[in-house]
Amino acid sequence: NAGVTQTPKFRVLKTGQSMTLLCAQDMNHEYMYWYRQDPGMGLRLIHYSVGEGTTAKGEVPDGYNVSRLKKQNFLLGLESAAPSQTSVYFCASSYPPSGTGPDEQYFGPGTRLTVT
Amino acid sequence: KQEVTQIPAALSVPEGENLVLNCSFTDSAIYNLQWFRQDPGKGLTSLLLIQSSQREQTSGRLNASLDKSSGRSTLYIAASQPGDSATYLCAVSDLTGTASKLTFGTGTRLQVTL
Repeated sequence: NAGVTQTPKFRVLKTGQSMTLLCAQDMNHEYMYWYRQDPGMGLRLIHYSVGEGTTAKGEVPDGYNVSRLKKQNFLLGLESAAPSQTSVYFCASSYPPSGTGPDEQYFGPGTRLTVT
Repeated sequence: KQEVTQIPAALSVPEGENLVLNCSFTDSAIYNLQWFRQDPGKGLTSLLLIQSSQREQTSGRLNASLDKSSGRSTLYIAASQPGDSATYLCAVSDLTGTASKLTFGTGTRLQVTL
C-alpha cells in the first residue's frame, strides 16, 4: 500500500496563478483532510470531506476550494494564488469515527508551495 | 476555541537519556490525543493515539500518558537515540457533527546528540 500520496511535491507560483494539489489514498478511508503548516503555527485545517461528493470548511478555508469526486482522491485548488498562501500543505485520511471516537489520521508527505 | 501548547519548543539531550515532552490543551472535551513525529521536510508519522477513556499507551521505547481532566499529556522517550531526532507534534481531536478535527500544537524539536 502506498498510503497517502500527494502531487506535486514542490511548486512555485506567481501571484494570481491557479493550481490544483492532488491527494490520493489507497486505504479505502471515508474521511479526507487538507491542512497547511506555517512556521511557528500548528497545522491548521483548510477543508475536509466525510465521503465521496461531500466537502466542508475547516478553520482557514478562504482562498481555497476542494472537490471529492472519487473516494480515493481529494483535490485542493487555489484559484488566484497569493503570497499568504505560501506554506506546506498536508493531506490526511481516516476511517469514520467508531464507537470510541475519531479514528487515527494518516498523513501524506506534503507539498511545499511558494507564491511569489 | 481549543488551544494546544507544547513545552519545550526545543530540546537537546545526549544519547541514552530518558526524556519527557509535554502537551497541554485548554478544552478537556476531547475524544482522543495523537502524538506525531515529523522529520525535516517530511510528512507526519503517527506514533501513539490515546482514546479519551485511556490513561496511557505504549509503543516500544515510547509511552504517552493522558490526564484529560487537567488538560495534559506527556510523551516519554526512554534511552534516546540519535535517530529519535525530529519534531514531535501533539494533536487533540474533537467531533463536530460527524467529522473529527485535529488541533495541533507547534511541536517540540528534539535533538539527540552522540
